[in-house]
This record gives sequence, structure tokens and C-alpha cells, in this order.
Amino acid sequence: AQSVTQPDIHITVSEGASLELRCNYSYGATPYLFWYVQSPGQGLQLLLKYFSGDTLVQGIKGFEAEFKRSQSSFNLRKPSVHWSDAAEYFCAVGTNTGNQFYFGTGTSLTVIP
Amino acid sequence: DGGITQSPKYLFRKEGQNVTLSCEQNLNHDAMYWYRQDPGQGLRLIYYSQIVNDFQKGDIAEGYSVSREKKESFPLTVTSAQKNPTAFYLCASSTRTGSTGELFFGEGSRLTVL
Repeated sequence: AQSVTQPDIHITVSEGASLELRCNYSYGATPYLFWYVQSPGQGLQLLLKYFSGDTLVQGIKGFEAEFKRSQSSFNLRKPSVHWSDAAEYFCAVGTNTGNQFYFGTGTSLTVIP
Repeated sequence: DGGITQSPKYLFRKEGQNVTLSCEQNLNHDAMYWYRQDPGQGLRLIYYSQIVNDFQKGDIAEGYSVSREKKESFPLTVTSAQKNPTAFYLCASSTRTGSTGELFFGEGSRLTVL
């Protein structure tokens, strides 16, 4: 069965520092991979997605993610974090054979001034 | 502007009452979804619909019901059979049927059972 694991429940970084949020998935074929961001009390917004092609994808707000098939990972990165990046981040997987998306449990990001 | 509108944003319910959460989209998307979000558990799928007049149960459908009479609308009813309905509910629609397209989310409805 498909599943998504986000090992880090909560991460704290200083403003200006680099960020990496981890995501591992379990799926036999090529997955459709997504990262979403959620501000408190709000819905989710798409940051970036990977369907095929170049394994390094660029998203909004200066985020990028790299698909590594050998590691079943799709980690999210940002070179320099801003205070406004504090939010909850969700990794999700879709498939071309099913109708459901599978979400990780999320990583909460705190940014210290 | 195109998007998904959920209402109400906050809702209080007494035990034993049914409540209906509204979800309307003007994105012309065929697929729509309802998720429940609890702290530390991520998003769990309640129901989804790929086309009008058709919908399927997700992982936690017990105690919930939906309808899809119009493409734009996908209301969720939380029935009295739902044992622990206090949660944040998110409606979403997708650019594609199946699970290969981006999800667009509403701002959510927070239900509290008193």
C-alpha cells in the first residue's frame, strides 16, 4: 500500500539559515509527488510538484525539492528561511492507478528571529 | 476569483445533531474531496467524487455522508453516528480525476461538538 513518512514532527531554524524537510514514500511505480504548506487555521497551498523529467523541481516562495528514486525520497529545501515560512508542511503522493492522494503527518516549522 | 469556498468557518454542534458543511468550487474541476485533519495525524480522506452523481468512501467514511448533485458543490454531512466529530475539515478539488493533479483547498471548517 502507498504511504508517506515525514520523520520530523517539528523543526526549528534561525531566520536566514537553510532548511531541509524530509519525505519518504512507499509506492511501487513512479509516484506523483507534492509538497503543500498550511498556515494556522487555513487550507493547504501547493508549493511544488513532481510528475516526471528533471528530478530537481522549483516551486513558489523559493522552495525546491529533489526526487531520489533510489532513496524513495522527495525532500524539500530552501537556502535561506524567512520568518514568514513558519507553517506546517505536508508531503503527498498520488498515483496514476488510483483515485486517492496519500499525505504525510506533516512537519511543523518554527523560525527563530 | 476562482477557488473553493467552505462554510461555515466555525461550527458548534450539540451531541446527537447532524450538521452539514458546505463546499463550493468555481474552478470547473471534476474531482472533489473531503479531508479531516486532527493534530499530529495529517489529512485523512473521508469521501471523494470524481464526477457528478458519483462518490466513493475514503479511509474514514463512517459517520459521514456526502452528495454530488452539481459539479460545483460537494456538501459533507457529519451525522450523529460519528463518534468523535470535533476536527478541522478541508474540502479540495483537483485539476484531474485520479490522483495525478494538484489539489486546490478551501480554507476549512472547524467543527466543535459541545
